Amino acid sequence: GAGVSQSPRYKVAKRGQDVALRCDPISGHVSLFWYQQALGQGPEFLTYFQNEAQLDKSGLPSDRFFAERPEGSVSTLKIQRTQQEDSAVYLCASSLRESTDTQYFGPGTRLTVL
Amino acid sequence: GENVEQHPSTLSVQEGDSAVIKCTYSDSASNYFPWYKQELGKRPQLIIDIRSNVGEKKDQRIAVTLNKTAKHFSLHITETQPEDSAVYFCAASLGNFNKFYFGSGTKLNVKP
Repeated sequence: GAGVSQSPRYKVAKRGQDVALRCDPISGHVSLFWYQQALGQGPEFLTYFQNEAQLDKSGLPSDRFFAERPEGSVSTLKIQRTQQEDSAVYLCASSLRESTDTQYFGPGTRLTVL
Repeated sequence: GENVEQHPSTLSVQEGDSAVIKCTYSDSASNYFPWYKQELGKRPQLIIDIRSNVGEKKDQRIAVTLNKTAKHFSLHITETQPEDSAVYFCAASLGNFNKFYFGSGTKLNVKP
């Protein structure tokens, strides 16, 4: 079946621009996570949704970062006034309702801020 | 919060040899430990996971061991093949759909 998909795969932004990154989780998956992966590092948690509710946003680095999942399926991560330090791969993962913790990752969006 | 450390950062082995990657964690409440394989430019793929109620799990050439007392867990790959070459990440979680805390990754190179 279809896995987690993300778009765009690559995004180049000029410093100060706003960007929006999209995640389509596996159909029926209740939980959705966003991670940021800097070059050569492990993913770092940004935020978590259970259905449409954002239950944890403790990892968002600043108030320039905003995420939403209004209908409990597709999610968008928005970064306002991008800075060079925002350059990274943004990974989305989803997890099924039942008592499994397995998170399935999307291919990521590579954001480069010039 | 949880802190996961992973060693070594790079590992080079000859095809057919075994590879071992080790991780430690700090939060004794963590109870779920997945391992992901990430090839260059690709998504992380789950290869094996273990929960805190077991000490070892095996899947063909891959095994994971967990020592809850010492708060460390290890990935073992036997009979390595060139296609095993990738970056491997360990992670720890409190379970129940909680976020993952990832290690910094190990770049495994299997030489033919």
